[in-house]
Amino acid sequence: KNQVEQSPQSLIILEGKNCTLQCNYTVSPFSNLRWYKQDTGRGPVSLTIMTFSENTKSNGRYTATLDADTKQSSLHITASQLSDSASYICVVRDDYKLSFGAGTTVTVRA
Amino acid sequence: EPEVTQTPSHQVTQMGQEVILRCVPISNHLYFYWYRQILGQKVEFLVSFYNNEISEKSEIFDDQFSVERPDGSNFTLKIRSTKLEDSAMYFCASRAGPGTDTQYFGPGTRLTVL
Repeated sequence: KNQVEQSPQSLIILEGKNCTLQCNYTVSPFSNLRWYKQDTGRGPVSLTIMTFSENTKSNGRYTATLDADTKQSSLHITASQLSDSASYICVVRDDYKLSFGAGTTVTVRA
Repeated sequence: EPEVTQTPSHQVTQMGQEVILRCVPISNHLYFYWYRQILGQKVEFLVSFYNNEISEKSEIFDDQFSVERPDGSNFTLKIRSTKLEDSAMYFCASRAGPGTDTQYFGPGTRLTVL
Protein backbone atom coordinates (compact mmCIF):
# COMPACT_ATOMS: atom_id res chain seq x y z
CA LYS A 1 0.00 0.00 0.00
CA ASN A 2 1.33 3.44 -0.89
CA GLN A 3 2.20 5.39 2.23
CA VAL A 4 3.59 8.81 3.04
CA GLU A 5 4.94 9.40 6.53
CA GLN A 6 5.90 12.83 7.84
CA SER A 7 7.84 13.96 10.86
CA PRO A 8 7.67 15.66 13.20
CA GLN A 9 3.92 15.81 13.70
CA SER A 10 4.26 19.39 14.91
CA LEU A 11 6.92 21.90 15.85
CA ILE A 12 7.21 25.37 17.29
CA ILE A 13 9.95 27.76 16.21
CA LEU A 14 10.83 31.36 16.90
CA GLU A 15 10.44 33.92 14.16
CA GLY A 16 13.61 34.20 12.12
CA LYS A 17 14.78 30.65 12.83
CA ASN A 18 15.10 27.80 10.37
CA CYS A 19 13.43 24.41 10.44
CA THR A 20 13.40 21.18 8.45
CA LEU A 21 10.46 18.86 7.88
CA GLN A 22 10.85 15.24 6.82
CA CYS A 23 8.87 12.98 4.50
CA ASN A 24 9.37 9.26 3.85
CA TYR A 25 7.33 7.45 1.26
CA THR A 26 6.74 4.00 -0.15
CA VAL A 27 4.74 5.09 -3.19
CA SER A 28 5.49 3.12 -6.32
CA PRO A 29 5.83 3.75 -9.16
CA PHE A 30 7.05 7.23 -8.30
CA SER A 31 5.98 10.11 -10.52
CA ASN A 32 6.63 13.24 -8.47
CA LEU A 33 6.60 14.67 -4.96
CA ARG A 34 5.05 17.92 -3.88
CA TRP A 35 5.09 19.93 -0.71
CA TYR A 36 1.87 21.78 0.02
CA LYS A 37 1.18 24.51 2.53
CA GLN A 38 -2.26 24.40 4.13
CA ASP A 39 -3.39 27.33 6.20
CA THR A 40 -6.03 26.60 8.82
CA GLY A 41 -9.43 26.20 7.19
CA ARG A 42 -8.07 26.55 3.69
CA GLY A 43 -7.20 24.23 0.83
CA PRO A 44 -3.62 23.10 0.22
CA VAL A 45 -1.40 25.29 -1.96
CA SER A 46 1.53 23.80 -3.86
CA LEU A 47 4.98 25.04 -2.82
CA THR A 48 7.34 22.82 -4.81
CA ILE A 49 7.22 19.84 -7.13
CA MET A 50 10.10 17.44 -7.65
CA THR A 51 10.55 14.66 -10.14
CA PHE A 52 12.81 11.64 -9.93
CA SER A 53 15.86 13.39 -11.37
CA GLU A 54 15.68 16.50 -9.18
CA ASN A 55 17.59 16.70 -5.89
CA THR A 56 16.85 20.22 -4.76
CA LYS A 57 14.29 22.85 -5.60
CA SER A 58 13.69 26.24 -4.02
CA ASN A 59 10.71 28.55 -3.85
CA GLY A 60 11.72 31.68 -1.99
CA ARG A 61 12.50 30.71 1.59
CA TYR A 62 11.33 27.13 1.01
CA THR A 63 13.87 24.55 -0.18
CA ALA A 64 12.86 20.96 -0.88
CA THR A 65 15.23 18.05 -1.30
CA LEU A 66 14.57 14.60 -2.71
CA ASP A 67 16.52 11.37 -2.41
CA ALA A 68 14.70 8.98 -4.71
CA ASP A 69 16.96 6.10 -3.75
CA THR A 70 16.05 6.23 -0.08
CA LYS A 71 12.57 7.61 -0.80
CA GLN A 72 13.02 10.58 1.45
CA SER A 73 12.30 14.26 1.07
CA SER A 74 12.75 17.28 3.25
CA LEU A 75 11.39 20.81 3.29
CA HIS A 76 13.60 23.48 4.78
CA ILE A 77 12.14 26.81 5.82
CA THR A 78 14.68 29.60 6.13
CA ALA A 79 14.26 32.70 8.29
CA SER A 80 10.73 31.77 9.33
CA GLN A 81 7.98 34.36 9.43
CA LEU A 82 4.74 34.41 11.37
CA SER A 83 2.90 33.75 8.12
CA ASP A 84 4.71 30.42 7.79
CA SER A 85 2.48 29.04 10.53
CA ALA A 86 0.54 26.32 8.74
CA SER A 87 0.40 22.61 8.05
CA TYR A 88 2.94 21.36 5.51
CA ILE A 89 1.86 18.31 3.60
CA CYS A 90 4.02 15.96 1.58
CA VAL A 91 2.14 14.52 -1.40
CA VAL A 92 3.52 11.79 -3.63
CA ARG A 93 2.07 10.88 -6.98
CA ASP A 94 2.23 7.51 -8.65
CA ASP A 95 1.01 7.08 -12.23
CA TYR A 96 -2.35 8.65 -11.60
CA LYS A 97 -3.15 9.18 -7.92
CA LEU A 98 -1.95 11.37 -5.07
CA SER A 99 -1.03 9.97 -1.66
CA PHE A 100 -1.03 12.50 1.15
CA GLY A 101 1.01 12.59 4.32
CA ALA A 102 -0.62 13.61 7.57
CA GLY A 103 1.27 16.89 7.57
CA THR A 104 3.56 18.72 9.95
CA THR A 105 2.01 21.61 11.83
CA VAL A 106 4.45 24.49 12.10
CA THR A 107 3.84 27.27 14.58
CA VAL A 108 6.06 30.34 14.34
CA ARG A 109 6.14 32.54 17.43
CA ALA A 110 7.33 36.11 17.72
CA GLU B 1 -5.26 34.76 -10.61
CA PRO B 2 -8.08 32.25 -11.25
CA GLU B 3 -8.99 30.01 -8.36
CA VAL B 4 -11.28 27.16 -7.44
CA THR B 5 -14.30 28.24 -5.42
CA GLN B 6 -16.55 26.14 -3.22
CA THR B 7 -19.93 26.72 -1.64
CA PRO B 8 -21.09 26.68 1.04
CA SER B 9 -18.10 27.23 3.31
CA HIS B 10 -19.89 25.39 6.10
CA GLN B 11 -22.83 23.01 5.89
CA VAL B 12 -24.64 21.60 8.89
CA THR B 13 -27.08 18.76 8.31
CA GLN B 14 -28.99 16.08 10.14
CA MET B 15 -27.95 12.45 9.83
CA GLY B 16 -29.77 10.79 6.94
CA GLN B 17 -30.25 14.00 4.98
CA GLU B 18 -28.90 14.58 1.50
CA VAL B 19 -26.30 17.27 0.93
CA ILE B 20 -24.84 18.73 -2.24
CA LEU B 21 -21.46 20.40 -2.12
CA ARG B 22 -20.69 22.75 -4.96
CA CYS B 23 -17.46 23.64 -6.68
CA VAL B 24 -16.56 25.94 -9.53
CA PRO B 25 -13.26 24.74 -10.98
CA ILE B 26 -10.85 27.00 -12.78
CA SER B 27 -12.19 27.85 -16.20
CA ASN B 28 -10.86 25.65 -19.01
CA HIS B 29 -9.60 22.99 -16.62
CA LEU B 30 -10.52 19.48 -17.70
CA TYR B 31 -9.86 17.26 -14.68
CA PHE B 32 -11.78 17.54 -11.43
CA TYR B 33 -11.33 15.95 -8.04
CA TRP B 34 -12.96 15.64 -4.66
CA TYR B 35 -10.99 14.99 -1.48
CA ARG B 36 -11.99 14.92 2.14
CA GLN B 37 -10.11 15.59 5.35
CA ILE B 38 -11.54 14.39 8.63
CA LEU B 39 -10.49 16.68 11.46
CA GLY B 40 -6.94 15.91 12.52
CA GLN B 41 -6.41 13.33 9.79
CA LYS B 42 -4.77 13.33 6.39
CA VAL B 43 -6.39 14.37 3.15
CA GLU B 44 -8.02 11.42 1.39
CA PHE B 45 -8.81 11.03 -2.29
CA LEU B 46 -12.46 10.43 -3.12
CA VAL B 47 -12.95 10.65 -6.85
CA SER B 48 -11.58 12.03 -10.10
CA PHE B 49 -13.73 13.14 -13.02
CA TYR B 50 -12.86 13.72 -16.65
CA ASN B 51 -14.83 14.00 -19.85
CA ASN B 52 -18.14 13.82 -17.97
CA GLU B 53 -17.42 10.56 -16.25
CA ILE B 54 -15.66 9.20 -13.20
CA SER B 55 -12.12 8.19 -14.07
CA GLU B 56 -11.22 6.80 -10.67
CA LYS B 57 -12.73 6.49 -7.21
CA SER B 58 -11.50 5.33 -3.85
CA GLU B 59 -13.06 2.79 -1.54
CA ILE B 60 -14.53 5.67 0.44
CA PHE B 61 -16.61 6.72 -2.54
CA ASP B 62 -19.44 4.22 -2.13
CA ASP B 63 -23.01 4.26 -3.43
CA GLN B 64 -23.91 7.09 -1.07
CA PHE B 65 -21.70 9.45 -3.07
CA SER B 66 -22.16 10.79 -6.56
CA VAL B 67 -20.60 13.54 -8.64
CA GLU B 68 -21.98 15.58 -11.45
CA ARG B 69 -21.01 18.38 -13.77
CA PRO B 70 -24.47 19.73 -14.49
CA ASP B 71 -23.30 22.61 -16.66
CA GLY B 72 -20.09 24.03 -18.00
CA SER B 73 -18.95 25.53 -14.74
CA ASN B 74 -20.16 23.63 -11.67
CA PHE B 75 -18.89 20.34 -10.27
CA THR B 76 -20.94 18.87 -7.45
CA LEU B 77 -20.55 16.16 -4.83
CA LYS B 78 -23.77 14.66 -3.49
CA ILE B 79 -24.04 12.56 -0.38
CA ARG B 80 -27.42 10.85 -0.41
CA SER B 81 -27.90 9.88 3.22
CA THR B 82 -25.31 11.47 5.44
CA LYS B 83 -23.74 9.65 8.35
CA LEU B 84 -21.99 11.06 11.37
CA GLU B 85 -18.67 9.87 9.99
CA ASP B 86 -19.15 11.98 6.85
CA SER B 87 -18.32 15.05 8.94
CA ALA B 88 -15.14 16.44 7.37
CA MET B 89 -13.69 19.15 5.18
CA TYR B 90 -14.37 18.44 1.54
CA PHE B 91 -11.94 19.89 -0.98
CA CYS B 92 -12.52 20.24 -4.68
CA ALA B 93 -9.53 20.48 -7.02
CA SER B 94 -9.05 20.98 -10.72
CA ARG B 95 -6.23 20.38 -13.16
CA ALA B 96 -5.73 21.96 -16.54
CA GLY B 97 -5.21 18.90 -18.68
CA PRO B 98 -2.78 16.34 -20.08
CA GLY B 99 0.82 17.41 -19.67
CA THR B 100 0.05 19.47 -16.59
CA ASP B 101 0.27 18.00 -13.15
CA THR B 102 -0.68 20.71 -10.71
CA GLN B 103 -4.01 20.37 -8.96
CA TYR B 104 -5.46 23.60 -7.64
CA PHE B 105 -7.49 23.20 -4.50
CA GLY B 106 -10.52 25.14 -3.40
CA PRO B 107 -10.92 26.51 0.13
CA GLY B 108 -13.08 23.57 1.19
CA THR B 109 -16.56 23.02 2.59
CA ARG B 110 -16.81 22.00 6.20
CA LEU B 111 -19.60 19.44 6.54
CA THR B 112 -20.99 18.79 9.99
CA VAL B 113 -23.44 15.92 10.36
CA LEU B 114 -25.44 15.96 13.60
